[in-house]
Amino acid sequence: KQEVTQIPAALSVPEGENLVLNCSFTDSAIYNLQWFRQDPGKGLTSLLLIQSSQREQTSGRLNASLDKSSGRSTLYIAASQPGDSATYLCAPLGGNTPLVFGKGTRLSVIA
Amino acid sequence: GAGVSQTPSNKVTEKGKYVELRCDPISGHTALYWYRQSLGQGPEFLIYFQGTGAADDSGLPNDRFFAVRPEGSVSTLKIQRTERGDSAVYLCASSDSGSGTDTQYFGPGTRLTVL
Repeated sequence: KQEVTQIPAALSVPEGENLVLNCSFTDSAIYNLQWFRQDPGKGLTSLLLIQSSQREQTSGRLNASLDKSSGRSTLYIAASQPGDSATYLCAPLGGNTPLVFGKGTRLSVIA
Repeated sequence: GAGVSQTPSNKVTEKGKYVELRCDPISGHTALYWYRQSLGQGPEFLIYFQGTGAADDSGLPNDRFFAVRPEGSVSTLKIQRTERGDSAVYLCASSDSGSGTDTQYFGPGTRLTVL
């Protein structure tokens, strides 16, 4: 059974800092891994999807990397802004298992 | 519509009642997913449709939960004899083909409160 762990559970940083969110998963037999953002009381917004054959994906100030063999992914946020404050969730997708989510990292960027 | 929509946005019901939650996926998306999210947790998978059929319902917690997608677009999640433990946000997502390589797009969720 796939298990996903996200570290840290919460993070508070001053505006402008670069930061890294970590995601680890136990079953490396995955098709892809998605990173999502969730604002309080809202649904999930997909940020990046990395295919199992890829090592990283970039979108604007966001960069996600995937090391499938070691069961790890990181989300790098450059030059953080108060608008980045949200909960960030990672979710690997396996062949015979549905999308499995971690508990998320709750990020606060202080102006 | 441009995105996944869910109705109602909030539902308050009494223990023992029956509720229906509706999801309208992105037009043309063949795969539809239901998840449940409790406070402080990540979403947990409930059921996945490919077209009209439930391809994987292994996440449904018990037989009080049932979902349908009769025409391959709109889906309804049905909960019978609701219990206080059913209180959560129910999220729906859709993807283009469900092939395993597609991004899942989520709706805003329905917050269910069972009193």
